[in-house]
Amino acid sequence: AQTVTQSQPEMSVQEAETVTLSCTYDTSESDYYLFWYKQPPSRQMILVIRQEAYKQQNATENRFSVNFQKAAKSFSLKISDSQLGDAAMYFCAYRSMANAGKSTFGDGTTLTVKP
Amino acid sequence: GAGVSQTPSNKVTEKGKYVELRCDPISGHTALYWYRQSLGQGPEFLIYFQGTGAADDSGLPNDRFFAVRPEGSVSTLKIQRTERGDSAVYLCASSLSTGPYEQYFGPGTRLTVT
Repeated sequence: AQTVTQSQPEMSVQEAETVTLSCTYDTSESDYYLFWYKQPPSRQMILVIRQEAYKQQNATENRFSVNFQKAAKSFSLKISDSQLGDAAMYFCAYRSMANAGKSTFGDGTTLTVKP
Repeated sequence: GAGVSQTPSNKVTEKGKYVELRCDPISGHTALYWYRQSLGQGPEFLIYFQGTGAADDSGLPNDRFFAVRPEGSVSTLKIQRTERGDSAVYLCASSLSTGPYEQYFGPGTRLTVT
């Protein structure tokens, strides 16, 4: 079974600075997708960024980028120029291509942004 | 357009009672997912539908939990003989199909079993 581990329960960053959230996963599969989701206090989960495992290039979405290390099974999220609105719970998720309806989530990292 | 909606937003029930939680997906989305999120944890997969059929129900914790999607749109998660351990936020999501497509989440239903 796949597992996703987020080893940082809490992180904080100063506004305008950069922060990196860590995620590791365990799988025996070679084809899969990885995701970062944001969950603010309103509970609405929002997709931040997605990475297909077969793509070597790291995904980027505006201020958000990932460092995908397939051999190390690591998928970290970098937030640049942090804003107060980035404060939320962040979840890393794994989805197999073989069973692409089932996602496995980590337990999340709470990000605080200090003004 | 309208997002995924879930009703009720909060439900308090007594131990042993039956509850139904409803999910209205985004129109045109063929895939629908249910997750359970306990306090301080990430969402835990329960079941997903592709169309009307349950494609994978391996996450349902026991036979007290059941979900349907009879017309391929609205889905209902049904919990019989509720237990205090069932208290959690139940999240629903939908997507155009399975695979790399983005899952759009609803706001969840917070279930409290007293």
